[in-house]
Formats: sequence, structure tokens, C-alpha cells
Amino acid sequence: ETTLTQSPAFMSATPGDKVNISCKASQDIDDDVNWYQQKPGEAAIFIIQEATTLVPGISPRFSGSGYGTDFTLTINSLESEDAAFYFCLQHDNFPYTFGQGTKLEVK
Amino acid sequence: QVQLQESGPGLVKPSETLSLTCSVSGGSISSHYWSWIRQPAGKGLEWIGRMYISGSTNYNPSLKSRVTMSLDTSKNQFSLRLSSVTAADTAVYYCARDRSSESYGFDYWGQGILVTVSS
Repeated sequence: ETTLTQSPAFMSATPGDKVNISCKASQDIDDDVNWYQQKPGEAAIFIIQEATTLVPGISPRFSGSGYGTDFTLTINSLESEDAAFYFCLQHDNFPYTFGQGTKLEVK
Repeated sequence: QVQLQESGPGLVKPSETLSLTCSVSGGSISSHYWSWIRQPAGKGLEWIGRMYISGSTNYNPSLKSRVTMSLDTSKNQFSLRLSSVTAADTAVYYCARDRSSESYGFDYWGQGILVTVSS
């Protein structure tokens, strides 16, 4: 089973900031990582596929990078609406596993 | 736009079977794999398993012995049954659509339903 270690668990940033969220895999998973955004009481939104590809319709302020074991979600020009819970998912092997998530606060 | 909505009892007694249904609109359940995921309070997300219309399934080994999934094409719904529940099964349960008939993770999620296991 692949363990995903996501950090930080919580972060606070200011509008206009650039933020990075890390997701590290316990083994090589190629680019088989997706990123999601979830707000309280709402369905999770699919934002990045295969580590680096922006899902159609998602703001280009979001980007992903990485391959193998180290992955990063970057949010540029942070906006108040970006306050949410973000998590990574690996779909390289079964069982699918998730990072623990990052709660992003926008001050 | 595909939408998923979980439904079922919010309270289940220990040792009984948890039963949930996911209703799908905006797309056919006859394509894609359909998954269940859960998140206990204060803990991370855990993938429970998935099912395809052909009957093909993949389950998390940690839960496999207690899990049954099914699809109802007439209602465009899919279901989860988790037997012999304990307090450790208390969680928010989500349904989600896999992106294809392969393994590419999820593109649509439900909002989730809280299920509490308690007498």
C-alpha cells in the first residue's frame, strides 16, 4: 500500500500570496496523483489530474508539479475563495490512498 | 453535470449492517467504476472500494471481508453494505465516480453523509 504524506496539515496565508502544498509518496507512483479541493458541506472538486494537468474549468491559478514520489500543488495569487481543504490521491495501485489533507485559511 | 447524492440511515447499531445508496444524475451508471470512500472525524480519507457494471470490483483489503457493493441500473444508483459495524466505522461516507473504466481516480464526488455507529 502506498502511503501519501501531505504537508502542512494547516496553513494560513494572505490574499495575493503563493502557497505550496506537498504530497510525498512512500514509493514511485509515476504521475498517478490527483488533487482535490473541498469546502465544508460541499462535494470535493477535482482540480489537478496526473500530477501536472489542470482539470478543464479550473482556475489557472492552480498548478501541479512532480513525478515519482514528490508532488506539489501550487496556488498563485491566492483569493479568499481558495480557503478550503486540499488533498492528494494516488491511483497508481490498489488500494487507492489519500494524503491527510491540508486546511488552507485565507486571512 | 454529473451529480451524486448519498442517502441512508445516519445511525447504525454496533454489530449491525450499514447500508448506503448513492443516486447518480447527469450520467449513466453503466459506464465508469463507482467508489465509496469514508473519513472518520479528525482522520484521513479511506477508500473502501469500487464496482463496475460488469460486476468487477476492487476492495480495500482492510475492509474487504465486510464490504458488499451493488449497482442498480434501473434506478441509476449504487450501494454499499458494511457488515458487523463498530464505533470505528463512524465516519462521513462519500460516493464518487472513477474517471473511466480504468484506474484514474475520481472526477465527481457526493457531498457525503455522516453515519454514526452507536447503541
